[in-house]
Parts: sequence; structure tokens; C-alpha cells
Amino acid sequence: GESVGLHLPTLSVQEGDNSIINCAYSNSASDYFIWYKQESGKGPQFIIDIRSNMDKRQGQRVTVLLNKTVKHLSLQIAATQPGDSAVYFCAETLNQAGTALIFGKGTTLSVSS
Amino acid sequence: NAGVMQNPRHLVRRRGQEARLRCSPMKGHSHVYWYRQLPEEGLKFMVYLQKENIIDESGMPKERFSAEFPKEGPSILRIQQVVRGDSAAYFCASSPLPGHTSGNTIYFGEGSWLTVV
Repeated sequence: GESVGLHLPTLSVQEGDNSIINCAYSNSASDYFIWYKQESGKGPQFIIDIRSNMDKRQGQRVTVLLNKTVKHLSLQIAATQPGDSAVYFCAETLNQAGTALIFGKGTTLSVSS
Repeated sequence: NAGVMQNPRHLVRRRGQEARLRCSPMKGHSHVYWYRQLPEEGLKFMVYLQKENIIDESGMPKERFSAEFPKEGPSILRIQQVVRGDSAAYFCASSPLPGHTSGNTIYFGEGSWLTVV
């Protein structure tokens, strides 16, 4: 089946830098996307979501960009902090009740002080 | 307001034994999802349940795995005759409304780590 993939398995940045985590999805029918953060030994934590009728959505220090033409999703984290160190997953689904999330493999973000 | 509660957090079973994982959804949530995460992998959907009903079990292995969400009590994911390949983290999530839709945030529990020896 189709699945969401990520461009880089790891990303290392310095504290204070901006981080960009990328994700490519293959199911053109997907119309709802979510970014999750998972710290070691914990469950996924919702960060931000976006529907396919939007190109950009901003939260607190985070921005998600969606490019439907090339089926690409990115998560931008401003002023990255050591507490942002975690594995980040993008997930896609159809915006319908009962449809499962399809997760990518994840990008490990390491933030050094 | 407690979040999604899963127990046990860690479980060790010998091959052939049974594993039972429990999930209590957030208060007011009647929709429960189970996902499995293998090492270094993303989460894979297993099953979606509402109270007393299995809505979507398309991600469940055909044999040895079952799930329930009774009228009273937690949701239970049951794995019979476990094998080493069942070793994984099993996550439960809940939501107040059906499915994964915008405006209906899904909350995940902290997971149950199953190790089969």
C-alpha cells in the first residue's frame, strides 16, 4: 500500500536555529495531514495539522507547509530548543470519520546547545 | 483530567503466552484506536473501536490478535500465542468524535512495550 515517507532520518541543529523537517506523501487522495512529536519512551504528541485546502498553517513556533503539486509536507520549527529533540512523524489520512492515519518512518531531530 | 491511560507500560512474555494490553480513553471519549510501532518504524494502524463495536479492523493480523471495547471498562488488545515478531510498542489513542478529522484531536497514550522472549 501507499505510505508516507520522510526525506531524512536524522537532522542535527544548533539551539536557536530554525529546523525544517520534510515529508513526501504518495496518496493523492489524502486530504488531511498531521505532524506528531514523539519523545523516547512516550506516545506521539500532536503538534499541528493541515487540511488540503490550505497551503500553510502556523502554530506557536511551528509552521506546516503543504505542496499538493509535488505531494510534499514540511514542518518548520523556529528557534529550535533542546526540548524539541525528538522523533517527528508526519501522518496522512482522508478527512473522513473512521479513516486510519498512515504514518511515515520519522525524522530524529537532535538539538545541541 | 487524565489522558489516555495504558497498562502495563512494559510487558515481557515468553513465546506462546498471551499478552493483554489495556487502554482507558480520555474522559468523554468513546472512540478508541490501536496502533503498533516496530523499532525504528512509524506507527501502523491496527483497529478502531467504539463502545461494544469494532468499526475498522483492517490493520489487525488475521490470527492471534483481537480487540474489544466493552460497555464498561477499558479497551483490551489481546495477543494469543505471542511470537518474537510481536515485540513492539502498542499505542492506544482516543477521540471524542469519530475518526481522524480536523478539529477532532486524537490523543495518544504513552504506550505498552511488549517484549517476547
